[in-house]
Amino acid sequence: DAKTTQPTSMDCAEGRAANLPCNHSTISGNEYVYWYRQIHSQGPQYIIHGLKNNETNEMASLIITEDRKSSTLILPHATLRDTAVYYCIVRVAQTGTASKLTFGTGTRLQVTL
Amino acid sequence: DGGITQSPKYLFRKEGQNVTLSCEQNLNHDAMYWYRQDPGQGLRLIYYSQIVNDFQKGDIAEGYSVSREKKESFPLTVTSAQKNPTAFYLCASSGRQYPYEQYFGPGTRLTVT
Repeated sequence: DAKTTQPTSMDCAEGRAANLPCNHSTISGNEYVYWYRQIHSQGPQYIIHGLKNNETNEMASLIITEDRKSSTLILPHATLRDTAVYYCIVRVAQTGTASKLTFGTGTRLQVTL
Repeated sequence: DGGITQSPKYLFRKEGQNVTLSCEQNLNHDAMYWYRQDPGQGLRLIYYSQIVNDFQKGDIAEGYSVSREKKESFPLTVTSAQKNPTAFYLCASSGRQYPYEQYFGPGTRLTVT
């Protein structure tokens, strides 16, 4: 699986958009970008994923550059409950087999009043 | 409610003792995983299982053992051979439906003294 690079930490004011970048310059054509987040002392939670098109769900939006070498997770209106560590993971979406995830150290997002 | 349960939430053991961590899921997922997390670090894969009676070593399997006798259960034993067993242990599962995201349990924090 391709290696990812994320900033160690970011701050965001409550109500503003949080934009979390991820660099994955060695991504292969069949690898997807997945985002998970981990609130303190809890298990990680899946947020969103994408291959090359931008994606949006009830939690967030994912913007992937045209060359797929980087992406940005957008939380449109951050709240205090969005304070967490956000992990960007690149992997092949394997069918019918266990999907091994490689977690880096992620970005610690602190949302403040 | 469908989900993954891990028990206990906190576990204390003396050095030299084996200890078994429980993981149960009612999501009807075939694949299950065990991860270890140390303070300030990402998750590292210990073992995973794609199906009942089958499991494979992850990146840091030494000092750990698992079994998969039932689809719903994937217990992890931390043996006395594990040199630094104190950590946060997370269990996860994933199904055969795209996008194959992993669902995580709440974790067990093991302290060995």
